Amino acid sequence: EAQVTQNPRYLITVTGKKLTVTCSQNMNHEYMSWYRQDPGLGLRQIYYSMNVEVTDKGDVPEGYKVSRKEKRNFPLILESPSPNQTSLYFCASSVGGPDQSYYNEQFFGPGTRLTVL
Amino acid sequence: SQQGEEDPQALSIQEGENATMNCSYKTSINNLQWYRQNSGRGLVHLILIRSNEREKHSGRLRVTLDTSKKSSSLLITASRAADTASYFCATALPNTDKLIFGTGTRLQVFP
Repeated sequence: EAQVTQNPRYLITVTGKKLTVTCSQNMNHEYMSWYRQDPGLGLRQIYYSMNVEVTDKGDVPEGYKVSRKEKRNFPLILESPSPNQTSLYFCASSVGGPDQSYYNEQFFGPGTRLTVL
Repeated sequence: SQQGEEDPQALSIQEGENATMNCSYKTSINNLQWYRQNSGRGLVHLILIRSNEREKHSGRLRVTLDTSKKSSSLLITASRAADTASYFCATALPNTDKLIFGTGTRLQVFP
């Protein structure tokens, strides 16, 4: 089944304790992206990647890191989480980036609900 | 930066009625997409309309795009209780692959 998976689905942690949220897709997509969703603010893009070893900042990259060592995986790293990073996080992937002529849609993972105390 | 903004923020209708939601954006675009999100779950792509298209249909969905007004509308005809969800438009900033979502319209369809 074609899908985007995220782990963990729920995470409660404390300020300053490094964490990684994994994201994996099995559709051989070039483009992968991370978003956070907060009430009243919609989805905001954190980072995106056009291909292996190519990453770019989205709208709200501060406090986050990403890496794209393999095409299928795009982990999100919070080196020193803070309470303002409490949010619902989504990973997504697509064939090509959204500004490409052959782009069609993004496939979203189920989300990771993160609470930072 | 908020590229897309939906209107209204919330909409309540009865089953069988039509639901219309609007999206406005700020810059030129190559395409505009609509997504649906059931409460707290991942987004599901509904339809994509390219900048050279004015109208597109998919089942009970009808999307229009007016590039001169920088706006799009999503019409759901003969709505059902199962259409209850939040709906988002999304566009890419020109010459980037940065995707910007609007704040969404919460649709409630009462049986």
